[in-house]
Amino acid sequence: DTGVSQNPRHKITKRGQNVTFRCDPISEHNRLYWYRQTLGQGPEFLTYFQNEAQLEKSRLLSDRFSAERPKGSFSTLEIQRTEQGDSAMYLCASSPPGQGHSYEQYFGPGTRLTVT
Amino acid sequence: SQQGEEDPQALSIQEGENATMNCSYKTSINNLQWYRQNSGRGLVHLILIRSNEREKHSGRLRVTLDTSKKSSSLLITASRAADTASYFCATGANNNDMRFGAGTRLTVKP
Repeated sequence: DTGVSQNPRHKITKRGQNVTFRCDPISEHNRLYWYRQTLGQGPEFLTYFQNEAQLEKSRLLSDRFSAERPKGSFSTLEIQRTEQGDSAMYLCASSPPGQGHSYEQYFGPGTRLTVT
Repeated sequence: SQQGEEDPQALSIQEGENATMNCSYKTSINNLQWYRQNSGRGLVHLILIRSNEREKHSGRLRVTLDTSKKSSSLLITASRAADTASYFCATGANNNDMRFGAGTRLTVKP
């Protein structure tokens, strides 16, 4: 078990381009989360999957953002028509099936996006 | 929007001293968690305390929770240079997202 992995680790793109990030959670974890973190701030929740179902979406997730988890395993986060304000670290986390909402999340190393 | 607010924003201590960080939040929670983030690395879970618990220990870490004051504290005893990191509290409620604060940046000088 190598933990949560994210690819790519760094992405530099020009404004207006589309980008896609991938997250591979820990294999037996059915819950998957995406967060965005800017410099000097804590992570901000973007969206949550339980298996392949997207159950929660933050208002931060504008219509330019879309996330998928087609087979309940890996997930992708796509940003269309990127803007400079999208520059941030995008973090993925997963957690195992559990009772209620008392569970810890395991974070990946993140994908740092720079929009020029 | 972020829920937890850590205090202080930055803390600098000498190795061997204790470090105390506080977290305040605004709405009802099911649990509160503390995470550590080293420079350039991902977040690592430290400890989780449920809303019906008042205190929890894990090694050199001690966490308290006061739901009446909507606050929590993280105490690191006998600090080490390797404890230098940012520490975040995160609150969990009835929905599925966690709300993180802006963090406390701890520097432990050798």
